[in-house]
Amino acid sequence: GAGVSQSPRYKVAKRGQDVALRCDPISGHVSLFWYQQALGQGPEFLTYFQNEAQLDKSGLPSDRFFAERPEGSVSTLKIQRTQQEDSAVYLCASSSRTDYSGANVLTFGAGSRLTVL
Amino acid sequence: TQLLEQSPQFLSIQEGENLTVYCNSSSVFSSLQWYRQEPGEGPVLLVTVVTGGEVKKLKRLTFQFGDARKDSSLHITAAQPGDTGLYLCAGAKNNFNKFYFGSGTKLNVKP
Repeated sequence: GAGVSQSPRYKVAKRGQDVALRCDPISGHVSLFWYQQALGQGPEFLTYFQNEAQLDKSGLPSDRFFAERPEGSVSTLKIQRTQQEDSAVYLCASSSRTDYSGANVLTFGAGSRLTVL
Repeated sequence: TQLLEQSPQFLSIQEGENLTVYCNSSSVFSSLQWYRQEPGEGPVLLVTVVTGGEVKKLKRLTFQFGDARKDSSLHITAAQPGDTGLYLCAGAKNNFNKFYFGSGTKLNVKP
């Protein structure tokens, strides 16, 4: 597609429920990132994939958070036993190239807004 | 605790005014990016700076990376209502795959 697509755009969950958030990156983009953006804050890094390999998951807040990208394209972020503090916008970004500094040039999706009641 | 501090947090100005927003850290970054984010959307990359002292211009926007690569500024000349949004800076250290974002400056330009 033309951009990074995320679904659902909005999700309301009761505390303790499991949720799954989907990211469709731009076709052909090798790198995929998940970020968490709390209200009034900047995005915080969660995890990074290169193709199907999860190379960095240092930002995942707890073992309730799990991400996968089994075929190197679509990715799913799963949150088990959701808590109120998990309420945030979850942003997915993909990248096909780096700039002259070596840094990834990220294209972000619109995000999935999760509200845990 | 965020590695990058942005100021001011909020800025409301009239169309035509100039403004500067700041991004500061005690850490050195290999690369620093500026993004603009509108409500309900993801951040959109504006620019990347990598060399200490580097200045980049994008139409009415001027970006500067500090000599020590710890801070950056964004200056907008003759602001327009279309400039309204959340401006985020993001720095990468040695790991170019992990960006640390500031909490942003929310800019409102009134017509």
